[in-house]
Amino acid sequence: GAGVSQSPSNKVTEKGKDVELRCDPISGHTALYWYRQRLGQGLEFLIYFQGNSAPDKSGLPSDRFSAERTGESVSTLTIQRTQQEDSAVYLCAGGPSGGTDTQYFGPGTRLTVL
Amino acid sequence: KQEVTQIPAALSVPEGENLVLNCSFTDSAIYNLQWFRQDPGKGLTSLLLIQSSQREQTSGRLNASLDKSSGRSTLYIAASQPGDSATYLCAVSIGSGYALNFGKGTSLLVTP
Repeated sequence: GAGVSQSPSNKVTEKGKDVELRCDPISGHTALYWYRQRLGQGLEFLIYFQGNSAPDKSGLPSDRFSAERTGESVSTLTIQRTQQEDSAVYLCAGGPSGGTDTQYFGPGTRLTVL
Repeated sequence: KQEVTQIPAALSVPEGENLVLNCSFTDSAIYNLQWFRQDPGKGLTSLLLIQSSQREQTSGRLNASLDKSSGRSTLYIAASQPGDSATYLCAVSIGSGYALNFGKGTSLLVTP
């Protein structure tokens, strides 16, 4: 595709349910990042994948959050037992390499936990 | 921990005005700094990227400057247009392979 895509665009769930968010990066982009943007806050880093290296999970806020990526393809972010404070826009970004080049962002998934 | 602050939080100007958005960061040991634009319901669009060794970057009506030693960057928008209305985000990276550290943004409204 022409850009980074994310699905779903919106997700409303009940507290305690699990959710899975998907990111399709631009083909050939080896770096992939997940960020979270809560209302009125800046973007917070969650997790970073670079090729087949072990991911940098240092930004994950709790063990309810996990993410996977197979090679340089699709990534999924899973939130288990969702809480109301998980409500946010979850943004995925990718790039041809980490740090040096600009990051290309998807449109985000707006998650609302009732 | 790197803290990124953007001032003002919101700004409203009439069309045609030149304006400056400010960004400051607490740790001057940055690798690069980027300015992004965020439109409602859409992802971020990169506007300008300044490497730590550079002082400024220009793209069309946009000019971004970087003073690494003082921990400051400015985004200058010339001859503003209603289409410039968006949230502008500043982000720094401390090294290759590191995630970006974002400010909370400046919400800009340009009125016709």
